Amino acid sequence: SQQGEEDPQALSIQEGENATMNCSYKTSINNLQWYRQNSGRGLVHLILIRSNEREKHSGRLRVTLDTSKKSSSLLITASRAADTASYFCAFYPGGGADGLTFGKGTHLIIQP
Amino acid sequence: DSGVTQTPKHLITATGQRVTLRCSPRSGDLSVYWYQQSLDQGLQFLIQYYNGEERAKGNILERFSAQQFPDLHSELNLSSLELGDSALYFCASSAFVRDEQYFGPGTRLTVT
Repeated sequence: SQQGEEDPQALSIQEGENATMNCSYKTSINNLQWYRQNSGRGLVHLILIRSNEREKHSGRLRVTLDTSKKSSSLLITASRAADTASYFCAFYPGGGADGLTFGKGTHLIIQP
Repeated sequence: DSGVTQTPKHLITATGQRVTLRCSPRSGDLSVYWYQQSLDQGLQFLIQYYNGEERAKGNILERFSAQQFPDLHSELNLSSLELGDSALYFCASSAFVRDEQYFGPGTRLTVT
């Protein structure tokens, strides 16, 4: 399967702590993206990192990409209750397909 | 608000019926994507249109079809519905191919 794999499947932390979630994939990519989904709602694009980038920041988000290991991580610093959501990594698989392939997601719960 | 709109929000119908889901992309976006999200399959890419033409197909069933109209809005037609077609259906749009995508709020389809 070309599907991405997120780890952990679920994560519960205290407000103010940092949350790290990981994504592994099997195909070659030209970029990898992270999305957030609040319960039953649409996905929100968080950040895109290109294959020639190793790290990217956006506000409290830090994303890393290691193309040799085919893996990426998303770090959310100083977590807030509003960060409670599911987080998905996504990428365009090889072979010319232009639809995103998503992992199964990490469900993050921030305890107040 | 992503700028992508989808109607209806909810749809309840019986097995064997046919439904049409509608999507309006962000202003200026030429690419429209359809995704299905279910508990067992996760998020799956169905089909992509670019400026009125079908560009890529994913795991779309033969009972499903889509089109994109000259004003760039798109419709997803689901026919001979089965219980297993119950899912969230998302539309997304992007300005460029293989770029970040902007998702609509989704249509929740329940087949009884």
